Amino acid sequence: AQSVTQPDIHITVSEGASLELRCNYSYGATPYLFWYVQSPGQGLQLLLKYFSGDTLVQGIKGFEAEFKRSQSSFNLRKPSVHWSDAAEYFCAVGLSSNDYKLSFGAGTTVTVRA
Amino acid sequence: GAVVSQHPSRVICKSGTSVKIECRSLDFQATTMFWYRQFPKQSLMLMATSNEGSKATYEQGVEKDKFLINHASLTLSTLTVTSAHPEDSSFYICSARVGVGGPGDTEAFFGQGTRLTVV
Repeated sequence: AQSVTQPDIHITVSEGASLELRCNYSYGATPYLFWYVQSPGQGLQLLLKYFSGDTLVQGIKGFEAEFKRSQSSFNLRKPSVHWSDAAEYFCAVGLSSNDYKLSFGAGTTVTVRA
Repeated sequence: GAVVSQHPSRVICKSGTSVKIECRSLDFQATTMFWYRQFPKQSLMLMATSNEGSKATYEQGVEKDKFLINHASLTLSTLTVTSAHPEDSSFYICSARVGVGGPGDTEAFFGQGTRLTVV
């Protein structure tokens, strides 16, 4: 069965430092890959997605992610974190080209310290 | 992006009662909505797919008689947790798809979620 793993439950990073969130998936083919962010009281917001083409994907809020087929990974990065980036981040996989059913990782909570 | 609104954001109910959660697409028509459930420190798990005007499709292991889903219009889907018990306490999130197709063709937008506590 397909699965999505986010190895880090919680990451603390200093404001201005770089951030990398890990995501690994288990699936035979190349799935649709997503990163969402959820701030308290808010819905999940799409940061970026990948399904084909350039393996380095640019998203909103200065985030980017790189798809590495050999490692079955889709790690999210941001060069310089802002305090407003404190939130929970979810990696997700979509398995079908015809619908929007997603399989999510458990999420990584990011804390930003001043 | 498009807005999906869930109501209520938090609800506490007594064991044995039923609770209805609404998911509305405010500025677009959603032929399909998805309901997810999240346990603490765990993934969001897809519960069911709701199509306007037809019966919902439930994922394996989800009790359809316990989690009643109605998608009566293109902008509203409801999830009713019937005869709720403490083990139903969870975070429920809906998403609504714009148009048809998958991630290569369209987008889905999420509500802010509903925290259900059954006491």
